[in-house]
Amino acid sequence: ELKVEQNPLFLSMQEGKNYTIYCNYSTTSDRLYWYRQDPGKSLESLFVLLSNGAVKQEGRLMASLDTKARLSTLHITAAVHDLSATYFCAVYGGATNKLIFGTGTLLAVQP
Amino acid sequence: EPEVTQTPSHQVTQMGQEVILRCVPISNHLYFYWYRQILGQKVEFLVSFYNNEISEKSEIFDDQFSVERPDGSNFTLKIRSTKLEDSAMYFCASSGDLSDTQYFGPGTRLTVL
Repeated sequence: ELKVEQNPLFLSMQEGKNYTIYCNYSTTSDRLYWYRQDPGKSLESLFVLLSNGAVKQEGRLMASLDTKARLSTLHITAAVHDLSATYFCAVYGGATNKLIFGTGTLLAVQP
Repeated sequence: EPEVTQTPSHQVTQMGQEVILRCVPISNHLYFYWYRQILGQKVEFLVSFYNNEISEKSEIFDDQFSVERPDGSNFTLKIRSTKLEDSAMYFCASSGDLSDTQYFGPGTRLTVL
């Protein structure tokens, strides 16, 4: 059974600082997604990573994938308050394209 | 930009009642999904649907749950006899192809009293 774990669960950081969220998964998968969720809102797709060594960047966020280590990272550069949200990684879980979500990381960027 | 829509945004019901949650997927998408998120917890897969039949369902999706695509645009989730533990945010998602990104609707918050 595919399991997905994220850490940390909660991250409080100051504006301007850098930090990384980690996503580990238990079995082989050929794609991984990062989603953002604002409080009470839906899930917004940020990145899809399709192959080993894939790196995607959008603004202050950069995601990478190491399929051999079964690890993805979401790196935040020079955080700003607008990045405050919960970030989920989700791993493609089989032939029907179901997504198995991680536990989520609640990011709070303090001024 | 096309988006997934869901109605209602919030549904309050009494335990034992039936509820139907409605979704309109993106118009040219072929794959449809329901997920749920209990408050403060992670998002959990419920069911996937393609070509008018269930492709896969989770252990959560027991006999009290059903899905239907009654016409060319709507995709519904029915819970026959709601329980307190069914209280959650229910998200509909759709994708154009099996390997495409899933786009999520705004969710329906179901509260069972």
